[in-house]
Amino acid sequence: DGGITQSPKYLFRKEGQNVTLSCEQNLNHDAMYWYRQDPGQGLRLIYYSQIVNDFQKGDIAEGYSVSREKKESFPLTVTSAQKNPTAFYLCASSMDLGPSYEQYFGPGTRLTVT
Amino acid sequence: AQSVTQLDSQVPVFEEAPVELRCNYSSSVSVYLFWYVQYPNQGLQLLLKYLSGSTLVESINGFEAEFNKSQTSFHLRKPSVHISDTAEYFCAVSFPDSGYSTLTFGKGTMLLVSP
Repeated sequence: DGGITQSPKYLFRKEGQNVTLSCEQNLNHDAMYWYRQDPGQGLRLIYYSQIVNDFQKGDIAEGYSVSREKKESFPLTVTSAQKNPTAFYLCASSMDLGPSYEQYFGPGTRLTVT
Repeated sequence: AQSVTQLDSQVPVFEEAPVELRCNYSSSVSVYLFWYVQYPNQGLQLLLKYLSGSTLVESINGFEAEFNKSQTSFHLRKPSVHISDTAEYFCAVSFPDSGYSTLTFGKGTMLLVSP
């Protein structure tokens, strides 16, 4: 089955530790995205990437980093500089950037930092 | 500044009643409009979208939305809801400031359908 895989579903970390969230897609999509979802806040874009080895900051990139070494993979690192990292993180992909291309979402990773 | 407003955080309705979920955006130029649905602890799924053409767009499960340029709105409607429609609904807009490359989401409206 084609789709987007995010693992793990739940992740727990101590404050001050960096943590990397996995996102893999087998849809052969060029574009990939990371969103953060907080209750009552909707989705906010963290980073996005149109092609391998290239990515752009979204609205709330501070405290996060990404890499795009392979087309199918777009891991997100939540660094210790992120002041409020506890949230639900969603990865998405689309064939290309632009409104004509539907974004497909993964099931999400719920990160809790204490 | 570009923004998407969903004024209602929760909309409770009874089964088989009609519902309207409101969405307004701030832009005086062309935009592209989307509604996504999220079931509990899952990712989002595209419900419908407006890119061009007819201002009334429909989904396969009975929802429809109408683009109103003068009111900068894209409200979502369903004439008769089911229990299974209980979910969170997000309006999203592609603005020219981002080169239409990304989506800006509203804060979401939780639709609660009760028997």
